[in-house]
Amino acid sequence: DGGITQSPKYLFRKEGQNVTLSCEQNLNHDAMYWYRQDPGQGLRLIYYSQIVNDFQKGDIAEGYSVSREKKESFPLTVTSAQKNPTAFYLCASSMGSGRVSGELFFGEGSRLTVL
Amino acid sequence: GNSVTQMEGPVTLSEEAFLTINCTYTATGYPSLFWYVQYPGEGLQLLLKATKADDKGSNKGFEATYRKETTSFHLEKGSVQVSDSAVYFCALRLNTGFQKLVFGTGTRLLVSP
Repeated sequence: DGGITQSPKYLFRKEGQNVTLSCEQNLNHDAMYWYRQDPGQGLRLIYYSQIVNDFQKGDIAEGYSVSREKKESFPLTVTSAQKNPTAFYLCASSMGSGRVSGELFFGEGSRLTVL
Repeated sequence: GNSVTQMEGPVTLSEEAFLTINCTYTATGYPSLFWYVQYPGEGLQLLLKATKADDKGSNKGFEATYRKETTSFHLEKGSVQVSDSAVYFCALRLNTGFQKLVFGTGTRLLVSP
């Protein structure tokens, strides 16, 4: 089945460590996104990528980094510079800019807890 | 700028009650509008959408009508079930070029038997 796979589902990190969250899609979508969700809040955009080898900062990019070396993959690294990394992270994808509907397809999420 | 405002939750209803979750938007152009649903511990799923004024999106008994004159996209369901308990997000996307989705803060719905 086509979809988006995020891993790991749960991740624990010690302060000062970098961690990488995986996101893979087999929907042949051009665009991919990373969102952060905190309890009782909406989704905040961290980074997005419209095409391979290109990505842009979202609203809260500080302390995060991404790469887009393959169309299917958009990993997110949470660096030690992120002051409050404990959150639920959601990866999404969509067809390119030529598609008006703009529907996003989401993965199941990764919950990161800093100990 | 572009923004979405949703009613604050939680919304608490008994099974078979009528549901309305209000959503209004501000946009610099002509957006497409969406409702997403998030069940506990999961990602978001598209519930319904409308791409132009007066369109009605519908799915699983939920409906929302794109009202340009009131800049609203309220979500309704005639008879809710316990399984509808979730967080509902309203969102917009401008229809020009590559545009990110702009989400509201979400409204939690709790349905009791």
